[in-house]
Parts: sequence; C-alpha cells; structure tokens
Amino acid sequence: DTEVTQTPKHLVMGMTNKKSLKCEQHMGHRAMYWYKQKAKKPPELMFVYSYEKLSINESVPSRFSPECPNSSLLNLHLHALQPEDSALYLCASSRRGWADQYNSPLHFGNGTRLTVT
Amino acid sequence: QQQVKQSPQSLIVQKGGISIINCAYENTAFDYFPWYQQFPGKGPALLIAIRPDVSEKKEGRFTISFNKSAKQFSLHIMDSQPGDSATYFCAATGNQFYFGTGTSLTVIP
Repeated sequence: DTEVTQTPKHLVMGMTNKKSLKCEQHMGHRAMYWYKQKAKKPPELMFVYSYEKLSINESVPSRFSPECPNSSLLNLHLHALQPEDSALYLCASSRRGWADQYNSPLHFGNGTRLTVT
Repeated sequence: QQQVKQSPQSLIVQKGGISIINCAYENTAFDYFPWYQQFPGKGPALLIAIRPDVSEKKEGRFTISFNKSAKQFSLHIMDSQPGDSATYFCAATGNQFYFGTGTSLTVIP
C-alpha cells in the first residue's frame, strides 16, 4: 500500500462527460503533483501545487483543471476529454515545496487508469 | 531535451544474474538521484537513492554506483529474481524532477 491514495482506480468516460480524480496524502507533504503516464513511458509532469498554490502548469489543455482544497487533498477535474487523453494519471507528493526540491523524493500513488471513449 | 538518458530500453536476465541499468546526465546542479521501480498497474515506488557526495550506496540486493566526474550513475540488481521484473526509472533532481526513459527488466526463471 502507498501513502498517497488515489480514487478511482479505473475510470471510463465519454468525451462529453465531466469527472474528477482524487488524491489524498497525510504525510504532511508540502507539494503535490499530477503526472500523466502513457504505456512504457516515464511520467510526464502536468501540475504542481506547492503550499496549496499552483506553482507549475506544464501547458496542459484547459480540459484538465486541477484543484487543491487543502494541504492533504488534490483533485483533477476532467471535461470534454479526447481519446488520446487515455492514460494512467498519477498523483505524487514531496516533503518539501516545489522550489525546495533538493534531496526530496516523490511519493506516488497507484494512479487512476483513465479510458476515454 | 532529455535531461537524463537511460539505457538499455529493455533487459532480459536469467534468475540469479546481475541486472545493470545505466543513466547519464548533463546538469551538474542535480544533487539527488533516485531510482523508481514500477510494476504493471501500479505507481512508481522509490527503490533507492543517492547523493553525489557518495560513490556507492547499497540496500539489500540493490546498489547504486555514482561517477560524478563522468556524470553517470547505474543501478545493479544482484541475484536477480523473477519478482524483480518491472520497469525501472532513474531520475535526477535539483529544483525540478527529471525522469529517465525507463528500462523494462524481465528476469527469466
């Protein structure tokens, strides 16, 4: 079991649906991340929240909308996705804030397997 | 531009053999080098990590060797087991986190 919990584990949605992915950590970590991972590829950074503020948006399309309600929770709201958005969406956290990454590993959840039909 | 180069892309090793995965980087500002292990359907899990002031770190059957002057580091898995079959990612971090391209390891019984 990981200390970063993601729900749901699997999600199938149509291109007109609205859904949300959820992530939770109770390690007191100060930064939380959304990554997208395609098969046989490394995770690609999407968003970073550091001290509950959006610090990084890696030019992600607006159909992906992140939200950080508090220091333990991270959401990713999905709307009007395309089939090419099908991937494993990973949440991660790190003890230090984004600008203080030195010697601070990422802790990943097990992801949400998203299929867009 | 790939900040961290990883090889090989795939590796097949006999049970009991040594698995070796190599990574190279250019940015001398990187100061933390973790390795992640990822099983199908799971997220990457931190396996072992090293700082550049250390040339080697060993945890059980897993060893990182670090060559600061060559800007290279490698993961050695001794006595490889079928349960080690997974994808391995090296990474480097300074004020940002960069992953290598991944190595798919298969250990044959």
